[in-house]
Amino acid sequence: GQNIDQPTEMTATEGAIVQINCTYQTSGFNGLFWYQQHAGEAPTFLSYNVLDGLEEKGRFSSFLSRSKGYSYLLLKELQMKDSASYLCAVKGRALDNDYKLSFGAGTTVTVRA
Amino acid sequence: DVKVTQSSRYLVKRTGEKVFLECVQDMDHENMFWYRQDPGLGLRLIYFSYDVKMKEKGDIPEGYSVSREKKERFSLILESASTNQTSMYLCASSPQGNEQFFGPGTRLTVL
Repeated sequence: GQNIDQPTEMTATEGAIVQINCTYQTSGFNGLFWYQQHAGEAPTFLSYNVLDGLEEKGRFSSFLSRSKGYSYLLLKELQMKDSASYLCAVKGRALDNDYKLSFGAGTTVTVRA
Repeated sequence: DVKVTQSSRYLVKRTGEKVFLECVQDMDHENMFWYRQDPGLGLRLIYFSYDVKMKEKGDIPEGYSVSREKKERFSLILESASTNQTSMYLCASSPQGNEQFFGPGTRLTVL
């Protein structure tokens, strides 16, 4: 099975940086996703890490350490529109042709002016 | 753009009713998924399908069944709705091994 932990809530100021940590314990690991979900909307894809290291995409970066079972999502130059829930999801191998995602409970980020 | 649509945004049903939630994707994806999302619990996988007529139980299949008669359509069925099935239901699809694309969700209330 999968056990995925991330903080419940974080608050930061517009223009600041916030780091959302995710730790996982899994029976099989095949990559880690970060999704963003605004209130009342569907989750949308942000990043995918399968190898150790940092992946940068504009204001958002995601880091993975497989040996530590650890990832973080870094949001830079925060904007009000970044207020959302951020979901960490681990990809495991369920069958030869399918890959299940196991999700953490999500971290609600509130950006204040 | 990938489009995943769900039949209803909001649904209100009574205890004991049979409920059908429909999901359609237009990108010829092999894999389709049904999740429920509850506060503090995150997304939990109910069922998934990796091919037409194929289905696999997720983490919380009890009280649910699914149907995949066509590649683009994946239906979730609540045989006899109960109040503890009040939740947000999210459908997703993905090509093999890649990111999942989510529909807008159906908020189901069972009275």
